[in-house]
Parts: sequence; C-alpha cells; structure tokens
Amino acid sequence: AQSVTQPDIHITVSEGASLELRCNYSYGATPYLFWYVQSPGQGLQLLLKYFSGDTLVQGIKGFEAEFKRSQSSFNLRKPSVHWSDAAEYFCAVGIGYGNKLVFGAGTILRVKS
Amino acid sequence: DVKVTQSSRYLVKRTGEKVFLECVQDMDHENMFWYRQDPGLGLRLIYFSYDVKMKEKGDIPEGYSVSREKKERFSLILESASTNQTSMYLCASSLRANEQFFGPGTRLTVL
Repeated sequence: AQSVTQPDIHITVSEGASLELRCNYSYGATPYLFWYVQSPGQGLQLLLKYFSGDTLVQGIKGFEAEFKRSQSSFNLRKPSVHWSDAAEYFCAVGIGYGNKLVFGAGTILRVKS
Repeated sequence: DVKVTQSSRYLVKRTGEKVFLECVQDMDHENMFWYRQDPGLGLRLIYFSYDVKMKEKGDIPEGYSVSREKKERFSLILESASTNQTSMYLCASSLRANEQFFGPGTRLTVL
C-alpha cells in the first residue's frame, strides 16, 4: 500500500538557521510529490510539487525540495528560516486516477529567536 | 486565484444528528475531495468525486456519505454523528491530475 513517512513530529530551529524536513514514500510507480504548509487555523497551502523532470524543485517562500528515487525521498529544505515559517508541514504523494493524495503525519516546525 | 470555501469554520452538533458540510469551488475543477485531519495522523481521504454525480470511497468512508449534484459543490454528510467524528474536515479541489487546492477547514465537535 502507498504510504508517506515523515520521521520528525516536531523540529525546532533558530531563526536564520537552515532547515531540512524529511519525507519518505512508498509507491510502485513514478510518484507525483507535494509539500504543503498549514499555519494555525488555516487550510493547506501548496509549497511545491514534483511531477517529472528536474529533481530539484523550487517553491514559494524560498523553499526547495529534492526528489531522490533511489532513496524514495523528497526532503524539503530552506537555507535560512524566518519566524513566519513556524507551521505544520505535510508531505504527500499523488496516486491513481484523479491524483488522490496520501499524506504523511506532518512535521511541526518551531522557530526560536 | 482558486477559491475553495467551506460553509462553516466551527460547528457543534449532538450525537445522532445529521450533519451537512458544504464545499464550493469557483474554478471549474473536475475533482473534489473530503479529508479529515487528526493530530498525528495527517489527512485521511474520506471520499472524492471526479465528476458530477460520481463518487468514490477513500480510505475512511465509514459513517460518511457525499453528494455532488453540481460541479462546483461537494457535500459531506454524517448520517448520524458520533463523538469519534469530532475532527477537522478539509475540502479540496483539483483540475485533472494536478495539485489540490484546499479550503480553510471546518472544525466539527460532536457532543
């Protein structure tokens, strides 16, 4: 069965430090991969997506992610975190007709000043 | 910009009540989805629809039904609400096999 694993439930980083959020997926075919962010009390906003082509994808708010097929990973990175990045981040894989999403459990990012 | 709206941000219902959650999108998307979000579990798909009057079960359809009479509207129905259906419900829409756009969510409490 398809699954997405986000190994870190919580991560705390200092403002200005670099960030990497991990995501591993299990899916037999070439996946469509997504990172979404959810601020408190809000819906989900798409940060970036990978469908095909260049394995390093750029997103909004200075985020990027790299698809590594050999490791079944799609880790999210940001070189310098801002306090406004504090939120919950979800990795997802799109499967089947209609591109249904299977989500990871999420990683809560805290930013300390 | 795509806009997905949900009828209520907060809802409190009693056990056994019939509950309707409404979702409307304004971008002529074929696909619409209902998820529930619980801490530590991420989002789980309840139902989705890829066309008017078409629906398919997701991973956790038990206790729920859906209705899609018009392309822009997708309703989630709890036939007889139970306390274990207390959750955040998120609606989304997408154009074919593209990214999904999410509404703000409805936090449902069943007493």
